[in-house]
Amino acid sequence: DVKVTQSSRYLVKRTGEKVFLECVQDMDHENMFWYRQDPGLGLRLIYFSYDVKMKEKGDIPEGYSVSREKKERFSLILESASTNQTSMYLCASSSQTEETQYFGPGTRLLVL
Amino acid sequence: GQNIDQPTEMTATEGAIVQINCTYQTSGFNGLFWYQQHAGEAPTFLSYNVLDGLEEKGRFSSFLSRSKGYSYLLLKELQMKDSASYLCAPYNTDKLIFGTGTRLQVFP
Repeated sequence: DVKVTQSSRYLVKRTGEKVFLECVQDMDHENMFWYRQDPGLGLRLIYFSYDVKMKEKGDIPEGYSVSREKKERFSLILESASTNQTSMYLCASSSQTEETQYFGPGTRLLVL
Repeated sequence: GQNIDQPTEMTATEGAIVQINCTYQTSGFNGLFWYQQHAGEAPTFLSYNVLDGLEEKGRFSSFLSRSKGYSYLLLKELQMKDSASYLCAPYNTDKLIFGTGTRLQVFP
């Protein structure tokens, strides 16, 4: 079974803090994705990566950055958290040969 | 532009059949995914259609018409545990494009 884990289920941060969300997958997948999910808006792609050290902007990259130093780990960074970044953050991974994305349990982030 | 349209909410009775429709307009198209998401949990994969037609997998079936930009998810013999959101997601080259999802409530 594919397993995608995220570092925290719930996180509370203050405005202006730097926030790190970690995602690890154990299936040797090349592709990794970060989404946020908000009521009425669905899942929106923030950043994705097809390989180590590689990153591509998704649909809403503003205010975020990512890091992929190892194949199994993809980190999402909020450089200076703002209240409008309060959301559910979902990480996913997929292989180059299969399009199906497998999701982690999500991190519910509250920025005060 | 890209647009995915599916009903916001649906209700059904345990044991019944329900069909969740999805229409889409995307700049590219390789196939269409359906995911199930229970409240507070991650989306889980249900089906992936590349070719036109119906694909059946147990109680769940998914249909695709590429020429019409239309898909549906058919759930038979509904169970209470099927209460969840169902996400339609066209796949374009390398990205999934998610709709807002259909929240299905199953009543006894």
